[in-house]
Amino acid sequence: GQNIDQPTEMTATEGAIVQINCTYQTSGFNGLFWYQQHAGEAPTFLSYNVLDGLEEKGRFSSFLSRSKGYSYLLLKELQMKDSASYLCAVGDYKLSFGAGTTVTVRA
Amino acid sequence: GAVVSQHPSWVICKSGTSVKIECRSLDFQATTMFWYRQFPKQSLMLMATSNEGSKATYEQGVEKDKFLINHASLTLSTLTVTSAHPEDSSFYICSVRTGMSSTDTQYFGPGTRLTVL
Repeated sequence: GQNIDQPTEMTATEGAIVQINCTYQTSGFNGLFWYQQHAGEAPTFLSYNVLDGLEEKGRFSSFLSRSKGYSYLLLKELQMKDSASYLCAVGDYKLSFGAGTTVTVRA
Repeated sequence: GAVVSQHPSWVICKSGTSVKIECRSLDFQATTMFWYRQFPKQSLMLMATSNEGSKATYEQGVEKDKFLINHASLTLSTLTVTSAHPEDSSFYICSVRTGMSSTDTQYFGPGTRLTVL
């Protein structure tokens, strides 16, 4: 089975940086995904890591350490529109999702 | 990425009635679609994997006779909540994965919010 842990909530100021951690224990691993979900909407894909290291995509970066069962999503230059829930998901063909981290960006 | 639509966006029904939710893959032929359920402030829980032309695969604890899934074509899967009750009120989301490889991303539909009175 899968056990995925993320912090419940985080608050940050516009323009700042926030790091969302995700730890997982899984019986099989073929990749880790990060999704963004605004309230009342479906998740949208942000990033994917299958090898150790940092993947950078504009203001968003994701890091993976397979030996530690650990990932983080880094949001830089925060904007108000980044206020959302961020979901960590692991698996292969089927994904298991963490409970999500609600990020609130304040002016 | 794949474009996925769902219909309806929201539905309110009386307890005991059945509700059908459609999931369409608009630009990709999907042999497999996934159905999730999300309760308020909780994560997505996979309900079942919908396979075109064959029976769906249900996750443990999901009643297959209550949540009927039909995947009759490569672009359409339907989820029917039979004899709905207030505890079935939830956000139902479908997704399409663009391939069999672990590197292929899942793309989600916009979701259907079901409220059972």
